[in-house]
Amino acid sequence: EIVLTQSPGTLSLFPGERATLSCRASQSISSNHLNWYHHKPGQAPRLLIYGASSRATGIPDRFSGSGSGTDFTLTISRLEPEDFAVYYCQHYDSSLPLTFGGGTKVEIK
Amino acid sequence: QVQLVESGGGVVQPGRSLRLSCAASGLTLRNHGIHWVRQAPGKGLEWVAFIQNDGGRENYADSVKGRFTISRDNSKNTVYLQMNSLRAEATAVYFCARDIWDSGRYYTDIWGQGTLVTVSS
Repeated sequence: EIVLTQSPGTLSLFPGERATLSCRASQSISSNHLNWYHHKPGQAPRLLIYGASSRATGIPDRFSGSGSGTDFTLTISRLEPEDFAVYYCQHYDSSLPLTFGGGTKVEIK
Repeated sequence: QVQLVESGGGVVQPGRSLRLSCAASGLTLRNHGIHWVRQAPGKGLEWVAFIQNDGGRENYADSVKGRFTISRDNSKNTVYLQMNSLRAEATAVYFCARDIWDSGRYYTDIWGQGTLVTVSS
């Protein structure tokens, strides 16, 4: 089972700043199998990025994903108020269980 | 509007049972697998179970195997999670999510808002 470690645990930034979130896998994985989600309390988690770098439908281009092997990054170029939330990376390669990282909370500084 | 809606949560005593439902509107579930994922208070997301589009395959997290059963009724566009012998550690918000595979990429693209299950005496 792949273990995903996200860092930092909390990121405190001002609106308009750039956010860089990290997701590290316990072993090398295909970039096809790494996804990112945005989640606010009381809401449905929202798919942002699939296959490490493809934006999901309706996701603004300030969100971008990159990485390969064991190291993956989600970048938010300029934080908007609605972006303050918890972000999860997910590994899913058709075998189960699918796994999630522990999350990074992006909070307003 | 395309959405998944979970229901059936509530407060239940340890050892009792509960059945959750995941109903789809604006989309047809019969072509897709469905996952259940939960989030315990103050914790992250944890995968619970999966059912293939035709019900032919089911998978479970080790933590629920033997006590939870996932099923579906495609004629009702609904997926279920039967939870038996509930323990306090099952307290969580339970989400259902649609499974997508696309040219070798696998992900969950549509999620419900969740239903809260509280196991407490």
